[in-house]
Amino acid sequence: DAGVIQSPRHEVTEMGQEVTLRCKPISGHNSLFWYRQTMMRGLELLIYFNNNVPIDDSGMPEDRFSAKMPNASFSTLKIQPSEPRDSAVYFCASSFGTSNQPQHFGDGTRLSIL
Amino acid sequence: EDQVTQSPEALRLQEGESSSLNCSYTVSGLRGLFWYRQDPGKGPEFLFTLYSAGEEKEKERLKATLTKKESFLHITAPKPEDSATYLCAVQDAGGSYIPTFGRGTSLIVHP
Repeated sequence: DAGVIQSPRHEVTEMGQEVTLRCKPISGHNSLFWYRQTMMRGLELLIYFNNNVPIDDSGMPEDRFSAKMPNASFSTLKIQPSEPRDSAVYFCASSFGTSNQPQHFGDGTRLSIL
Repeated sequence: EDQVTQSPEALRLQEGESSSLNCSYTVSGLRGLFWYRQDPGKGPEFLFTLYSAGEEKEKERLKATLTKKESFLHITAPKPEDSATYLCAVQDAGGSYIPTFGRGTSLIVHP
């Protein structure tokens, strides 16, 4: 079984540019999560979807961040405009439901904003 | 607010030197506690789920145990390939379904 697939693996761009991160969850999973990981703050939940519907976006740092899930097999996280403090590793995870079920993570996108 | 604290932050062991990692938590009620392993440049990889005090799970050299306030990840006779960051996450029965992650323990096993 293919795991969670994220692209790109690495992204380096200049401040002010739009950045789009992509995620394909595990087939059959109906919950999808976007996380950000930094040395300072560890793993932070940004937003999660259940059955393609955003349920909790309270972790999204500000309006520059947006996420969509147009169908069960694809999600995007967009940052516009990007800032150097957005530099981090962004992970996507999926699970079958949310209660008691472990999350399965992709290998992340390492984002560097210059 | 749910709290998850992992200790130590970093641990260096010699190959074969057994030890334990700790995850202490504060929740209104435990729905589940998850252990993950994270290798450099990779996403967290699921290891175990524990649901109730007294429960134990094992996988190769790893054994996870759970009490009402903490969980231990025991590593028996570790090998260099066990080097990784180990994360625990707690799901509160009284809150949202979203698990709260600890900051992790970075384990290095020297040959």
